[in-house]
Amino acid sequence: TQLLEQSPQFLSIQEGENLTVYCNSSSVFSSLQWYRQEPGEGPVLLVTVVTGGEVKKLKRLTFQFGDARKDSSLHITAAQPGDTGLYLCAGVKGTASKLTFGTGTRLQVTL
Amino acid sequence: DAGITQSPRHKVTETGTPVTLRCHQTENHRYMYWYRQDPGHGLRLIHYSYGVKDTDKGEVSDGYSVSRSKTEDFLLTLESATSSQTSVYFCAISDPQGPSGYTFGSGTRLTVV
Repeated sequence: TQLLEQSPQFLSIQEGENLTVYCNSSSVFSSLQWYRQEPGEGPVLLVTVVTGGEVKKLKRLTFQFGDARKDSSLHITAAQPGDTGLYLCAGVKGTASKLTFGTGTRLQVTL
Repeated sequence: DAGITQSPRHKVTETGTPVTLRCHQTENHRYMYWYRQDPGHGLRLIHYSYGVKDTDKGEVSDGYSVSRSKTEDFLLTLESATSSQTSVYFCAISDPQGPSGYTFGSGTRLTVV
């Protein structure tokens, strides 16, 4: 059972376009994190959102945590080839800071 | 000067043989994790550790065991490798008292033939 569903699974866009990736769950999380993973490497943390309704910006990336803390979105403005990668959302529940990862969104940005 | 390293980076082994993957950290973080990553499944937790000699199972622990005799090392063992254990394995560390988020190693690509 996948607790976190991401959509779309794949996205191929041209440089300069905007895009939104969604991360949805029926469960409530105490916090949610977004990671980016490049081929041959481990995921790298982009942001953590904690409060329902919270919005965080990281340059051209905007992250939002849903009011009910069950979903999140990642919006990229004016995508660049350097944004190419696998984007993963991950929710924190319970003890030991265990993360449950979403299925991932693979983004390809071409010139 | 990576704070977390995995070894080996690549391994091919035969069905039925034992395999041990090593994760080494220099951050003195309390928590360590082993995940596997497979297409269509994302990252799934195998085992985790919340201190020396303190470990617990994740969602896909069958066929795997772990040991943590020192803070810096977390070993993952496949007692008798099967083809279904062909995957990319990632180790991660976290510090509950510090900034949130995991730091991941670069992964071990394991192929069981």
